[in-house]
Amino acid sequence: AQTVTQSQPEMSVQEAETVTLSCTYDTSESDYYLFWYKQPPSRQMILVIRQEAYKQQNATENRFSVNFQKAAKSFSLKISDSQLGDAAMYFCASLAGNTPLVFGKGTRLSVIA
Amino acid sequence: SQTIHQWPATLVQPVGSPLSLECTVEGTSNPNLYWYRQAAGRGLQLLFYSVGIGQISSEVPQNLSASRPQDRQFILSSKKLLLSDSGFYLCAWSPDRGKAFFGQGTRLTVV
Repeated sequence: AQTVTQSQPEMSVQEAETVTLSCTYDTSESDYYLFWYKQPPSRQMILVIRQEAYKQQNATENRFSVNFQKAAKSFSLKISDSQLGDAAMYFCASLAGNTPLVFGKGTRLSVIA
Repeated sequence: SQTIHQWPATLVQPVGSPLSLECTVEGTSNPNLYWYRQAAGRGLQLLFYSVGIGQISSEVPQNLSASRPQDRQFILSSKKLLLSDSGFYLCAWSPDRGKAFFGQGTRLTVV
């Protein structure tokens, strides 16, 4: 079975600063994918970034990047130059084979002007 | 293009009434489909997932059921709603193992 753990229920960051959200996971699959989703107050789930486990290179999407440590089963999200619009719930998730998409409990990010 | 439709967006139902939430996917075939529930300020709880027509796996014993009558249609149902069924319901689909997308969600209030 897969598990995803987010140990930070809440985080805050000053506008224009950098923040890192933590996520650890556990899976017995060798081929899997990891995701970070953003959920703003509208509650729409927005894909922020994805990482293929077989790729060693960390994924990046503009101001968002991940630190994927496969041996440690760690998948953290770094947000650079934080903006007010980044304030939201962030969920880490994993997907492997035909097993369900599994989520962590989320981290609520506040951005301080 | 691949899209997902989920409706209704908002629903207020009395206790004991039936429920039917529908999710359809366009632009793909044989996707994996999921129903999640999210209580206010909480994480996503997986309710059901399906890897094919008529194949439903239930993750949590509850007052709800799911059906997949067609390849790209996933329905969440209840015969008699409870107050505890209130929440935000999300349908999701995975066209292949590397991607997963969500519908707009349904805010259900049971009164």
